[in-house]
Amino acid sequence: SSELTQDPAVSVALGHTVRITCQGDSLRKYFASWYQQKPGQAPLLVLYGNDNRPSGIPDRFSASSSGNTASLTITGAQAEDEADYYCTSRDNSGNHWLFGGGTRMTVL
Amino acid sequence: QVQLQESGPGLVKSSQTLSLTCTVSGYSISSGGYFWSWIRQYPGKGLEWIGNMFHNGPTYHTSSLKSRVSISLDASKNQFSLKLSSVTAADTAIYYCARGRTSTGFDYWGQGTPVTVSS
Repeated sequence: SSELTQDPAVSVALGHTVRITCQGDSLRKYFASWYQQKPGQAPLLVLYGNDNRPSGIPDRFSASSSGNTASLTITGAQAEDEADYYCTSRDNSGNHWLFGGGTRMTVL
Repeated sequence: QVQLQESGPGLVKSSQTLSLTCTVSGYSISSGGYFWSWIRQYPGKGLEWIGNMFHNGPTYHTSSLKSRVSISLDASKNQFSLKLSSVTAADTAIYYCARGRTSTGFDYWGQGTPVTVSS
């Protein structure tokens, strides 16, 4: 398969933990990276590789992977975390990139 | 600090060629170690990878656009460009340029430039 699949939407109560998943065959071979996108803004890299965060990304964001599923977990979600989240990874050829369809996260 | 900025016409007529340029500052694209990418986002929807170019290396494009897309790089200007030929309304989107690496994905993005294809 040359797709990455995400749930379209998820909601979380303020301060609670939420997991967003991304499924695809290529995730058995390659790590996913994760992007946060707020309205009117470009995507922002928040996680990559084996649970790595770029500078400035809070440590409440973490990544994990098992089999064909990659996950982004926010432990203690904040109001400012409300956004669309996208996963990406290489396809099985290793030369092309795939994006998941995105998950809209609402903080209640 | 690495910054990317897209530029180009916001309106393109159907069947013509869309041309965009990404100007990079804070990093020399000839330094290597990264690839330079174009990604688009349809209105209100998800992201689509268009293609990558490595400095002095291969270029890769999504299969769905392969015959219409060209990516080039001008190291002397620290810029890279996208050309998409024979555009239709389906090519209307926000176009982003980004820097990437296989180990990290896309670490820096431009602000995006909206392109509308008109008939």
